[in-house]
Amino acid sequence: SQQGEEDPQALSIQEGENATMNCSYKTSINNLQWYRQNSGRGLVHLILIRSNEREKHSGRLRVTLDTSKKSSSLLITASRAADTASYFCASRKAAGNKLTFGGGTRVLVKP
Amino acid sequence: ETGVTQSPTHLIKTRGQQVTLRCSSQSGHNTVSWYQQALGQGPQFIFQYYREEENGRGNFPPRFSGLQFPNYSSELNVNALELDDSALYLCASSSTGGASYEQYFGPGTRLTVT
Repeated sequence: SQQGEEDPQALSIQEGENATMNCSYKTSINNLQWYRQNSGRGLVHLILIRSNEREKHSGRLRVTLDTSKKSSSLLITASRAADTASYFCASRKAAGNKLTFGGGTRVLVKP
Repeated sequence: ETGVTQSPTHLIKTRGQQVTLRCSSQSGHNTVSWYQQALGQGPQFIFQYYREEENGRGNFPPRFSGLQFPNYSSELNVNALELDDSALYLCASSSTGGASYEQYFGPGTRLTVT
């Protein structure tokens, strides 16, 4: 079973708008990562946030982490049609060697 | 492109058969992890290999087995295939065993069991 839950499951926006998706997890983590997947292909690493960090930026991406609520959010600003993909959060436990993925958010950016 | 390659790209097998999937890790990486992704779901961890030894396993039965070779490439073997084994199988490489943070994923092998 998957540890994380993502919300919403699907998101449809116009180009130029912001896209926000949320992720919850169940156990203490070392870090949380976000990945993008295009059309059922391989996963591309987007950003990693450590458990002692609260916010991180990378280009048009902004990630927050609230360890008290066991949740994270990914914001994509000024979305483009090329951002159309599925986005997954993946948590890594403090003592562990695997990533536990959420169910993903399918984002459609309409031109 | 991550430098992680997988073969074959697609595969169709019959229930009860056996299958071997292959993964070549990115140069300099000594750890390979395998994930199963059913349609519409997130990837689930199968197991990880570090320096040719299994280094953690998810909730998968023993008919899922693996190998890692001295060049750090890896194989995933599945025996007695079941219909529910139909999925995208992803491998990911990283540079250290349990401490690595970022995993680099290959394009996946789409397995269909009929």
